[in-house]
Amino acid sequence: GAVVSQHPSWVICKSGTSVKIECRSLDFQATTMFWYRQFPKQSLMLMATSNEGSKATYEQGVEKDKFLINHASLTLSTLTVTSAHPEDSSFYICSAPRLAGVYEQYFGPGTRLTVT
Amino acid sequence: AQSVTQLDSQVPVFEEAPVELRCNYSSSVSVYLFWYVQYPNQGLQLLLKYLSGSTLVKGINGFEAEFNKSQTSFHLRKPSVHISDTAEYFCAVSEVNNNDMRFGAGTRLTVKP
Repeated sequence: GAVVSQHPSWVICKSGTSVKIECRSLDFQATTMFWYRQFPKQSLMLMATSNEGSKATYEQGVEKDKFLINHASLTLSTLTVTSAHPEDSSFYICSAPRLAGVYEQYFGPGTRLTVT
Repeated sequence: AQSVTQLDSQVPVFEEAPVELRCNYSSSVSVYLFWYVQYPNQGLQLLLKYLSGSTLVKGINGFEAEFNKSQTSFHLRKPSVHISDTAEYFCAVSEVNNNDMRFGAGTRLTVKP
């Protein structure tokens, strides 16, 4: 079946540095991908919609200059957390819908970011 | 935009007992509905989904859910739970023709021996 991968699965960085998280659709093309953030014991909150070949669409309250999204190809979207702070520590999950045939949305395994 | 309400944040239940996890949604257009399970420190696993057709949907691990349009509900049920069903369960909604998915707050199912 379709698979979405994320890399890295976990990362620890120092405050003030930037971290890039990759989301790949492994056996299908995804013109759209979604980025979610999940704080401990909370639900997934949609951060932004990544669009191949155009600018990402951010949800209200999400800083676009802090969370840079690049959808460079039909199988890759990246989320860069710039100037990370401890409050950015979270579980970041991406997803990609496969629109051919029966609708299905596939989720990546998530990336645990810890900012010290 | 669409939204989801999971009415119970925690549901404790004894092993082999039936369970129902409640989910209500709000949307002005037609929707797709989903239930996901998340085990600690892991990603999401799809349990089942409603896209169209029969309102009773059967999923993996013995779970099923029924779409009720008049009550805007999509409750998840299992007739007999196991210890291994202990996890966080999320209901999600996606509007037809709009792929972004919104999640409920989650229900923590704890199965006791």
